[in-house]
Amino acid sequence: EPEVTQTPSHQVTQMGQEVILRCVPISNHLYFYWYRQILGQKVEFLVSFYNNEISEKSEIFDDQFSVERPDGSNFTLKIRSTKLEDSAMYFCASSAQGVVGGVGETQYFGPGTRLLVL
Amino acid sequence: AQSVTQLDSQVPVFEEAPVELRCNYSSSVSVYLFWYVQYPNQGLQLLLKYLSGSTLVKGINGFEAEFNKSQTSFHLRKPSVHISDTAEYFCAVSSFMGRRALTFGSGTRLQVQP
Repeated sequence: EPEVTQTPSHQVTQMGQEVILRCVPISNHLYFYWYRQILGQKVEFLVSFYNNEISEKSEIFDDQFSVERPDGSNFTLKIRSTKLEDSAMYFCASSAQGVVGGVGETQYFGPGTRLLVL
Repeated sequence: AQSVTQLDSQVPVFEEAPVELRCNYSSSVSVYLFWYVQYPNQGLQLLLKYLSGSTLVKGINGFEAEFNKSQTSFHLRKPSVHISDTAEYFCAVSSFMGRRALTFGSGTRLQVQP
């Protein structure tokens, strides 16, 4: 069964460093998402991406964050200058189509990357 | 704006007992509703979803949920749980209005004891 994959599974970085989290969405999916979960808190939406541009973003997704689909398979989240409060589990998700209510609406999640900023 | 409330942070239950995990939502527009499960060290797996039609939705692993619009609830139930159902369960909503971002509840940890 196709699945979303994410690398690395864990990343430790120093405050102020740049990190890139990588995701390989399900191959025929068109919409891509990033969510994060700070330890002990809710899963929060960061950004959605379609047709090579951001379609929606939350207030969390400020100028320190960027997303990119550098090739036909990868989807990346870059944090330009990490802060302590960026420590969280980051989930990538993808869905087959963007028609709201359509059968392709379901978002499929990867296993996550646990980011620790020291 | 929309929000999801999962009142129970932890639900301990004995094996083969029934369980109900509660989810209430608020939204100014119609919503789609989802339950996801997260097993230890794994990602979020879709259990079931309500998009339209019958308000009783059946999902994987014997789970079902009922959409109650008047009570703005989408409680998850299973008539007989197994040890392997021990996991974190998340209720989530997205709106009809083209916004695809999921809004999650805080999660309920189901602990099945022998």
